[in-house]
Amino acid sequence: EAGVAQSPRYKIIEKRQSVAFWCNPISGHATLYWYQQILGQGPKLLIQFQNNGVVDDSQLPKDRFSAERLKGVDSTLKIQPAKLEDSAVYLCASSLRADASYEQYFGPGTRLTVT
Amino acid sequence: AQKVTQAQTEISVVEKEDVTLDCVYETRDTTYYLFWYKQPPSGELVFLIRRNSFDEQNEISGRYSWNFQKSTSSFNFTITASQVVDSAVYFCALSEDRGATNKLIFGTGTLLAVQP
Repeated sequence: EAGVAQSPRYKIIEKRQSVAFWCNPISGHATLYWYQQILGQGPKLLIQFQNNGVVDDSQLPKDRFSAERLKGVDSTLKIQPAKLEDSAVYLCASSLRADASYEQYFGPGTRLTVT
Repeated sequence: AQKVTQAQTEISVVEKEDVTLDCVYETRDTTYYLFWYKQPPSGELVFLIRRNSFDEQNEISGRYSWNFQKSTSSFNFTITASQVVDSAVYFCALSEDRGATNKLIFGTGTLLAVQP
């Protein structure tokens, strides 16, 4: 069974530029998550999708971050414009269902450096 | 409010030593789930175990064991006879049963270095 795929693996941009990350979850997983992991910290949830609908985006900085999950499969996370403090690893995860008893499976992440 | 504390920032052991990683959590819910994830240098978080709040039985899986104690709000992880391949950052996480939302609250992680 293929795992969660993410691309690109690394990205370096200058502040005020825009960037987009892509995620393909495990086949059949209805729930998709984007986490931000700043160096030395644990991951923090940015947004949770159930199929193609948003379930929780309470910690997403909506003035600069956006995410979509068209057709309920792949997802993209965009930052526009980027700030220095956005430097982090962006992790995508998926789970079979939304409730807390189901484990989340993580992708390899995209390491973003904003200079 | 939910919170997970991993007080040990870094631990260094020599191969074959036993090591315990501590995790203390805070929640007001009676139904919740606790997790351990491993993050090797490659960066991918690897799921190790899930425990629900109603199951306090300790669990053993090979060299790994977990001790869940609700009385002290702790969910500690022990690696017996550590190996170099165990070197990674280990995260403890909490998820409350809130229906459709499934936010994992992570601790800050413990970096385990196993020296040969």
